[in-house]
Amino acid sequence: DIQMTQSPSTLSASVGDRVTITCRASQSIRSWLAWYQQKPGKAPKLLIYEAANLESGVPSRFSGSGSGTEFTLTISSLQPDDSATYYCQQYYSYLYNFGQGTKLEIK
Amino acid sequence: QVQLVQSGGGVVQPGRSLRLSCAASGFTFRDYPMHWVRQAPGKGLEWVAVISYDGSNTFYADSVKGRFTISRDNSKNTLYLQINGLKNEDRTVYYCARDSSRGGPLYVFDYWGQGALVTVSS
Repeated sequence: DIQMTQSPSTLSASVGDRVTITCRASQSIRSWLAWYQQKPGKAPKLLIYEAANLESGVPSRFSGSGSGTEFTLTISSLQPDDSATYYCQQYYSYLYNFGQGTKLEIK
Repeated sequence: QVQLVQSGGGVVQPGRSLRLSCAASGFTFRDYPMHWVRQAPGKGLEWVAVISYDGSNTFYADSVKGRFTISRDNSKNTLYLQINGLKNEDRTVYYCARDSSRGGPLYVFDYWGQGALVTVSS
């Protein structure tokens, strides 16, 4: 099974900061990676698919990159509304599993 | 707009069964594979099951195989998850989710229900 590991687990940053979250796969998943944002008590929201494609309606300050085993989610200028937990997910193969999450807090 | 409205969660005794429902609107339900994803409180996300757009194919995570049954009624635009033999470890929030790809599942989830909490307690 493919393991997905995110870093850091928690992150605190200020409004306007550039923020990067990393997701590593235990083996190559090509570009079959998605990123989701989840706020407390709410369902996850799809941000990025196929590693770098922005889902319709998602602000352009979000971007994704990477392929193979290493991926990043970048928020170019952090906004107060970005406080949430972020998950990566591989859809290359079963288990179609998620990373453990990165909790992003606004200072 | 796309909406997935869930119902059926609640408190259930150990060993009993429960059926969750997910009513879809705002899109052609019969065109899309559908999934269930779960999340224990304070924990991460786990994919549980998928059903093809026409209901002819299903696939489950090993962790639930044999106890969970995913089904759909395209005439009612509704997805279901039957959970049998509930255990304490089943206390979790269950989300229905639409696959982003018409036809075959891609396992990318572009719309989600609001979630349904299942609590197992005697």
